[in-house]
Amino acid sequence: DADVTQTPRNRITKTGKRIMLECSQTKGHDRMYWYRQDPGLGLRLIYYSFDVKDINKGEISDGYSVSRQAQAKFSLSLESAIPNQTALYFCATSDTGELFFGEGSRLTVL
Amino acid sequence: GQNIDQPTEMTATEGAIVQINCTYQTSGFNGLFWYQQHAGEAPTFLSYNVLDGLEEKGRFSSFLSRSKGYSYLLLKELQMKDSASYLCAVRDFAHRSGGSYIPTFGRGTSLIVHP
Repeated sequence: DADVTQTPRNRITKTGKRIMLECSQTKGHDRMYWYRQDPGLGLRLIYYSFDVKDINKGEISDGYSVSRQAQAKFSLSLESAIPNQTALYFCATSDTGELFFGEGSRLTVL
Repeated sequence: GQNIDQPTEMTATEGAIVQINCTYQTSGFNGLFWYQQHAGEAPTFLSYNVLDGLEEKGRFSSFLSRSKGYSYLLLKELQMKDSASYLCAVRDFAHRSGGSYIPTFGRGTSLIVHP
């Protein structure tokens, strides 16, 4: 089983719908992150959390919210999805060093 | 914040050597990472440099010059499976929370290895 698990792996939805992407990890890391990846733009940070009571905005947080339900769980929500939020979303965890990524959640907003 | 530049695409021949460059500007450098990402997959960690010099790990090496804001990833004895995107990520003091530091990614370099 993967150390960092994302669900769903693929999702197609319509404009205006609420969407939640979930992430869970078994690495025991305190730090968790949500990135989105778009062709030609690389990975951009949406939100990050260093422990259960810590939530921080990244460079592109508008239109997104997060919840850190436990050390192992970090979910990303799109309250009202729009087409330009179509992207590949990655959850990641870390200790003090490198990031460990989930397998990604591909979201399409029609 | 940072400004991280990498070439968009490179091509090389199987068995050859390729060097992928990364330049950056930061307000306070705290480490540089290289990741490999195959199409449709998650990025995976390759190397970390925080001090000047060369770090070697099998066929892959990474070099850092802090004074020049420059790093490169060197891939030797290229194999077809090395066709992937290579992501440079810089961690600096300008992006921190609770005494820790957040890495920012460059746009990645797509490497195509042909026979």
